[in-house]
Amino acid sequence: DVKVTQSSRYLVKRTGEKVFLECVQDMDHENMFWYRQDPGLGLRLIYFSYDVKMKEKGDIPEGYSVSREKKERFSLILESASTNQTSMYLCASSFESTGYEQYFGPGTRLTVT
Amino acid sequence: QKEVEQNSGPLSVPEGAIASLNCTYSDRGSQSFFWYRQYSGKSPELIMSIYSNGDKEDGRFTAQLNKASQYVSLLIRDSQPSDSATYLCAVTGISYDYKLSFGAGTTVTVRA
Repeated sequence: DVKVTQSSRYLVKRTGEKVFLECVQDMDHENMFWYRQDPGLGLRLIYFSYDVKMKEKGDIPEGYSVSREKKERFSLILESASTNQTSMYLCASSFESTGYEQYFGPGTRLTVT
Repeated sequence: QKEVEQNSGPLSVPEGAIASLNCTYSDRGSQSFFWYRQYSGKSPELIMSIYSNGDKEDGRFTAQLNKASQYVSLLIRDSQPSDSATYLCAVTGISYDYKLSFGAGTTVTVRA
């Protein structure tokens, strides 16, 4: 079974703090993704990566950056957290040979106060 | 026009009935189609993948794909209260095969 893990289930941070969310997958997947999910807005893609050190902006990259130094790990960074970044953050991974079906981690519910 | 549209919910069905969920997509070049189930407060879980026209069955779930009409559907037979969740339709795009477009989801409630 594909296993995608995220560093925290719940996180509370203060406005202006730098926040790191980590995601690790154990299936040697090429592609990794960061989404946020808010009520009424659905899943929105923040960033994705199709290879180590490669990254592409998604639909809402502002205020975020990412890092992928190793194939199994994809980090999302909030440079200066703001209250409008309070959300559920979901990491996913996929592989070409399985038709690009994405497998999600359990999610991190981030609250910025 | 949204890339992926799902029938608006919520959808309420009695236990044992068939729940029918529909999804249309705008990108004629899409090749891969997925259904995810998401329980409240949890992350999406892949339940069905379909790549060619026709039906694909897995237990009580049947996915149907019609590329000419650009729609994909999910049938849940013998619905159970444990099927109560939001179901997300996802489709690959032309520009990046690995980037999925998600619908807004349809919430299903199965009444005991």
